[in-house]
Parts: sequence; C-alpha cells; structure tokens
Amino acid sequence: KAGVTQTPRYLIKTRGQQVTLSCSPISGHRSVSWYQQTPGQGLQFLFEYFSETQRNKGNFPGRFSGRQFSNSRSEMNVSTLELGDSALYLCASSQSGTVRSGANVLTFGAGSRLTVL
Amino acid sequence: TQLLEQSPQFLSIQEGENLTVYCNSSSVFSSLQWYRQEPGEGPVLLVTVVTGGEVKKLKRLTFQFGDARKDSSLHITAAQPGDTGLYLCAGGRAGGTSYGKLTFGQGTILTVHP
Repeated sequence: KAGVTQTPRYLIKTRGQQVTLSCSPISGHRSVSWYQQTPGQGLQFLFEYFSETQRNKGNFPGRFSGRQFSNSRSEMNVSTLELGDSALYLCASSQSGTVRSGANVLTFGAGSRLTVL
Repeated sequence: TQLLEQSPQFLSIQEGENLTVYCNSSSVFSSLQWYRQEPGEGPVLLVTVVTGGEVKKLKRLTFQFGDARKDSSLHITAAQPGDTGLYLCAGGRAGGTSYGKLTFGQGTILTVHP
C-alpha cells in the first residue's frame, strides 16, 4: 500500500509569508503527527491529530497550526514565517489510538523542506 | 520535559568495524524505537522495544532496552558502507493522548568507509 505522502517536497518562502504543507497518511491510518527537523534541534514534535481532533501539541508558537480532514489527510500552516522556521517538516501516520503493546509505531513521509529567505 | 541523550553525535569508521550507539534518559519510556534516516528521506523504523531488558536482533544490528526502560543501545557488527546514515532513537509513552508523540534523541551520523 502507498506510504505517507507529503507535498510539496521543497519550497522557498520569504520572511513574513505563510505556508501550508499537506500530508496524506497511509490508507486506514487515522492519526497524523507533525515534526520539525533542524540540524540544531533535531526532531521536535509539533502536534498530532486523530479523527479530526488535535489531541497533542508540542511547544511551538501559535504561528504553527494544523488541521485534519474527514479522510484523515492533514495540513499544517505556518504564518508570518521567520528565518528560523527553515526546516524539514515531517509528517507521520499511525493506525489507531489504541496502543496495546505500549509502542507508538509511526510511519514517516519523506518530508517537506522549507527554506525561508 | 523528557529528554533523550544520544551519543556519539558523529561516528566515522572503517568497513568491518563494530560500533555502539547509546540513548539515555532520566525518564521512563513505555517504548523505545530506533530509526534510520537517509538524506532527503524521512526516518524509517528499524525496531521497537517495549520490555525492560529486551534484546532484539536484526541481522547485524542488536538493540537493547535497559532494565529500567530509561536507556537503549544499538550495536552494529561488521559495519558496511550501506549502514551509513542518521540513526535516531525515540521514546514513546503509551496511554492517554500521547500516541503520536515521540521524544527523539539528537541523532548519530554514522559514516562507514569502504
């Protein structure tokens, strides 16, 4: 089955602009999580959506937002871009909200690389 | 805040050598996962360990979860150039609303020279 698809793969924006990134999870997966990856900070959790509801949020400013649609596809938006927002934004999906074994198994997409000039 | 300290940050070795990457925390995790990421791609799951003291082997890779579930190690035997990449450990917590939230270590960049 198809993996996690993120679009666009690459984009360049200027400071002050906004950007919307899209993520299509694996078919049947209802949970979508977003992470920001930078050389200095590594992978940091942004937020997670399950059945169109945000159920977890990381420590990022309100300029970072997201949503999930009824088909489980998700978008994240960053408004008023800053130079420091340049990063690889990764989306990951998982099957359900029940974790019997205690393991959170995520499948990541290839990411959207954002460059802010 | 839960933190995962991963070491070393960089590892450059010759083909055929053995290596170990460590992942340590002061917090308890319900699961510990190891990912490998190649340039231009997202992390790919290698293994998940959930039981304290658990050891899993994946060909030349051996993963161990500490008894107290606060630390983990990844050991590669006879490294090959194809093992080159960024290795990431990630801790997860079960229950509640934390399913998609993993805490990642900073990563270990491994380069295996032919």
